[in-house]
Amino acid sequence: NAGVTQTPKFQVLKTGQSMTLQCAQDMNHNSMYWYRQDPGMGLRLIYYSASEGTTDKGEVPNGYNVSRLNKREFSLRLESAAPSQTSVYFCASTRDPLTGELFFGEGSRLTVL
Amino acid sequence: AQTVTQSQPEMSVQEAETVTLSCTYDTSESDYYLFWYKQPPSRQMILVIRQEAYKQQNATENRFSVNFQKAAKSFSLKISDSQLGDAAMYFCAYRKGDSNYQLIWGAGTKLIIKP
Repeated sequence: NAGVTQTPKFQVLKTGQSMTLQCAQDMNHNSMYWYRQDPGMGLRLIYYSASEGTTDKGEVPNGYNVSRLNKREFSLRLESAAPSQTSVYFCASTRDPLTGELFFGEGSRLTVL
Repeated sequence: AQTVTQSQPEMSVQEAETVTLSCTYDTSESDYYLFWYKQPPSRQMILVIRQEAYKQQNATENRFSVNFQKAAKSFSLKISDSQLGDAAMYFCAYRKGDSNYQLIWGAGTKLIIKP
């Protein structure tokens, strides 16, 4: 009963380092999302993928890249990490993007020093 | 631009009592969806309840119900018979009816349950 799985759960980076957050879902969902969550703010959409091979920018895409490797996996890459990217990152998926029921991973806490 | 406001950063309630969390939103659209999500300390967000704007009847899911006031652009969540497991961050979110991915989120309300 895995649902949405994110790795790693915690990561500390130095400014300028790169890393990739991995996300996989086993619910056969077409739509997948990457959000960031900062204190005192709601979730903000970084990137979205409606299906394998397609990606779209969300509200805060600068500094990030994504890859929809296949239907199950949607990765988020930070090419040159900055302290402003310190956040908790959530991957989510849904069978029907219009109904809005998103299924979330447990989150990845990233600290950039 | 659409916005979602949760004016209560933190609320507390005695176990078994009722609590209402507030949410207001700003939109010029007539067709949209509203949601309440719960984020327990384990951090995994889960859907609590959903309301379609075209439906006049307030949504209900067991102990959770909403008071949807479309004209006032208000969407509050009522939790009856509060339980310790209800302790969490609660987020209100809005989606346009013709949008396939853009959810606008409130900043959240932390709900504390007193035993």
